[in-house]
Amino acid sequence: SYVLTQPPSVSVAPGETAQITCGGHNIGGVSVHWYQQKSGQAPLLVMGYDADRPSGIPERFSGSNSGSTATLTISRVEVGDEADYYCQVYHSDGDHVVFGRGTKLTVL
Amino acid sequence: QITLKESGPTLLKPTQTLTLTCTLSGFSFSTSGVGVGWVRQAPGNALEWLAIIYWDDDVRTRPSLGSRLTVTKDMSKNQVVLTLTSMDPSDTGTYFCAHRGTELGGFDSWGQGILVTVSS
Repeated sequence: SYVLTQPPSVSVAPGETAQITCGGHNIGGVSVHWYQQKSGQAPLLVMGYDADRPSGIPERFSGSNSGSTATLTISRVEVGDEADYYCQVYHSDGDHVVFGRGTKLTVL
Repeated sequence: QITLKESGPTLLKPTQTLTLTCTLSGFSFSTSGVGVGWVRQAPGNALEWLAIIYWDDDVRTRPSLGSRLTVTKDMSKNQVVLTLTSMDPSDTGTYFCAHRGTELGGFDSWGQGILVTVSS
């Protein structure tokens, strides 16, 4: 089955840029969706179709996807961005919907 | 405004059957591409996809769950129902239903989730 690989954790200081990666075989050939999940809450879609930001999501959030890696970039990180972030794709074989294992973003 | 809400039992014994209902509002399930998915999360663990049912009644389920898992929709009640048989303590977790839209492609609206505990 298709596997999405995320780093378990990323740490940045407030005001810096955080990059959260999501690796997968030829992931650049499919669309990647990103979710933010704060403690005790339901996930929130923060990026659809690689780089489409839902209304209400700050412009500080951006996405890219090419080759074997998709990236969620958060500029000017704020304390309120601290959360778990998951990437997700749809796949034709095996699991139809695949989530990465998640990356915990810590704002120092 | 799209809303989803999960309901069902919060405590089950091993071998029992879980039936969860997701009550929907604010969107048409007849729109091409729209779906409702189920995702669970064991305590402290990652999101795990379980199933999705699309507007055209196409249902995809997690292969590893085999025949234990079924998903149906009842549009007369605006509900999607998940049934998971032979519950085990390893099935303990928070179960979410979520709307899959076409504008953004991902799950753009989620229910609050329901914590289901399996214990003897």
